[in-house]
Amino acid sequence: QVQLQESGPGLVKPPETLSLTCTVSGGSVNSGSYYWSWIRQPPGKELEWIGYIYYSGSTNYNPSLKSRVTISVDTSKNQISLKLSSVTAADTAVYYCARELRSGSYYMDVWGKGTTVTVSS
Amino acid sequence: DIQMTQSPSSLSASVGDRVSITCRASQSISSYLNWYQQKPGKAPKLLIYAASTLQSGVPSRFSGSGSGTNFTLTISSLQSEDFATYYCQQSYSTLWTFGQGTMVEI
Repeated sequence: QVQLQESGPGLVKPPETLSLTCTVSGGSVNSGSYYWSWIRQPPGKELEWIGYIYYSGSTNYNPSLKSRVTISVDTSKNQISLKLSSVTAADTAVYYCARELRSGSYYMDVWGKGTTVTVSS
Repeated sequence: DIQMTQSPSSLSASVGDRVSITCRASQSISSYLNWYQQKPGKAPKLLIYAASTLQSGVPSRFSGSGSGTNFTLTISSLQSEDFATYYCQQSYSTLWTFGQGTMVEI
């Protein structure tokens, strides 16, 4: 059974870069059937899709964050990474990684437990 | 962006009640609509995809319907473990967007 685990600093100072890693176990990021995404949820607010990466390195980002976001994949470590630059307090959120299916059916069926990131000086 | 609007934002119900949550898309999304359940401090869990297909392992008291712009999630007989927040999410466009959530509480 595929499991995802996010990790990274819980506190980031503005305007530094937020860096998170998602480790995939029980499966491979090389699986051509899936995309790997990041989603965030500010305190008390709704979910926001940040972007995805395919094992080939192909990416797609939310236009509202595109200028600040980089998602990458390390197939040797079976990990997905997220970098968000020039953070502000508005980037404070729980960050989730998830597995996306985008062929035939389109949904996120496996999620990590999430990691809380606070942006504060 | 496709905007997703859920109603109500919250509802109070009792165990055994039949509960329905509505999700409306700002444009037609065919049947590219998913429902997730989120409990406090936990990640969202996929309940229904493609508007009406039950994810494996999800109890049959959950059902989904609709197409185009109007969708409904129904819980036929609410159980204590169903008290949570429910989100709809469209997967029609490349940019996936969520509704604001519906909190189901006692």
